[in-house]
Amino acid sequence: GQQVMQIPQYQHVQEGEDFTTYCNSSTTLSNIQWYKQRPGGHPVFLIQLVKSGEVKKQKRLTFQFGEAKKNSSLHITATQTTDVGTYFCAGPQAGTALIFGKGTTLSVSS
Amino acid sequence: DTGVSQNPRHKITKRGQNVTFRCDPISEHNRLYWYRQTLGQGPEFLTYFQNEAQLEKSRLLSDRFSAERPKGSFSTLEIQRTEQGDSAMYLCASSLARTGSYSGANVLTFGAGSRLTVL
Repeated sequence: GQQVMQIPQYQHVQEGEDFTTYCNSSTTLSNIQWYKQRPGGHPVFLIQLVKSGEVKKQKRLTFQFGEAKKNSSLHITATQTTDVGTYFCAGPQAGTALIFGKGTTLSVSS
Repeated sequence: DTGVSQNPRHKITKRGQNVTFRCDPISEHNRLYWYRQTLGQGPEFLTYFQNEAQLEKSRLLSDRFSAERPKGSFSTLEIQRTEQGDSAMYLCASSLARTGSYSGANVLTFGAGSRLTVL
């Protein structure tokens, strides 16, 4: 079945440094979504990418969808302590259920 | 709208007992999903409903698990004869699926989850 893989699993940065997490799917995706889960919280939707090569920005966050629609990345510029949490990518499998990666957990020290 | 509501938030039970979780989705959402999450892992898909119809179940879903959404509104997830391996956070999510659009319409809104501990 479809698999969604994320790297790295963990990342620690100093406040102000940049951060990137990568997502790869074993199959071509019609779209990819990103969610953030704060410690002790539940996943919260960040963004959805649909088009090949699409780039979207949300303030310091930049999301990309690969040309082949099999990979994606999330880049955070100048991290802040509020960026702490686990970032998940998710893609729809053959039905309509979203399959989530294992996530990248970001910690930030000030 | 208060978002997706799940009850109970925490449940501690002994192995072999049955447990039931309830999810109240966002009222205008027609799809409801159940996921399971363990520490250090992403949400693992269990099953989902469109209105009252259960459209998809994970192959990993044991026959001890059953979910219902009888009137297309709230849903229940029952686990029979619980095992220690069932200990996890059970997340419910809902979405609005628009007809005639691509599956990308399925943006999920999650509830806070129901944490199950099986002793």
